[in-house]
Amino acid sequence: ETGVTQSPTHLIKTRGQQVTLRCSSQSGHNTVSWYQQALGQGPQFIFQYYREEENGRGNFPPRFSGLQFPNYSSELNVNALELDDSALYLCASSPAIGTGGETQYFGPGTRLLVL
Amino acid sequence: QQQVKQSPQSLIVQKGGISIINCAYENTAFDYFPWYQQFPGKGPALLIAIRPDVSEKKEGRFTISFNKSAKQFSLHIMDSQPGDSATYFCAATDSNTGNQFYFGTGTSLTVIP
Repeated sequence: ETGVTQSPTHLIKTRGQQVTLRCSSQSGHNTVSWYQQALGQGPQFIFQYYREEENGRGNFPPRFSGLQFPNYSSELNVNALELDDSALYLCASSPAIGTGGETQYFGPGTRLLVL
Repeated sequence: QQQVKQSPQSLIVQKGGISIINCAYENTAFDYFPWYQQFPGKGPALLIAIRPDVSEKKEGRFTISFNKSAKQFSLHIMDSQPGDSATYFCAATDSNTGNQFYFGTGTSLTVIP
């Protein structure tokens, strides 16, 4: 049991809309990473937050943005949705970097469909 | 550019057989190599992980073999069971930066009863 929760589980949006996905980290974890997993593919790193600051970003455009809150929960925001944004969005939490923090524990994901 | 290459894409194994999945990487800064198991509709679950200071790590029926010079690592599932049918992903990261996990493209394993 990972303890990472995500909401909502499924979401349908139309092109051009904006979406916010939410993640609650496992207890004791202060680092959150977001990944996009297209159908039949491995997860692709979007960005990571550590102590409320962005700590690394993958090859995703600025319309993908995030937040981490003092309780270490996190949000992923995507603006101007495109059809290719349809994917499973995964949140992963880990302990502090450098303290075994490399292990990431994934939530069940949010399935986003853009029509 | 695919930082971690995984093969095969799919694998069918008889119950009781050995399943072997291979991965290769290029970045010599990578120093943490986990394997994840993912069932349909679920997030990836950490199965087993290895650091390059050892050549093998075993946990129950699951073994990682690591070849640092070849920059390759593999997952062996002994006595494969139908419940092992899932998609398996290898991954790699540089734990000094601690941020980005690079995943392989996944292997869909089917264990036939």
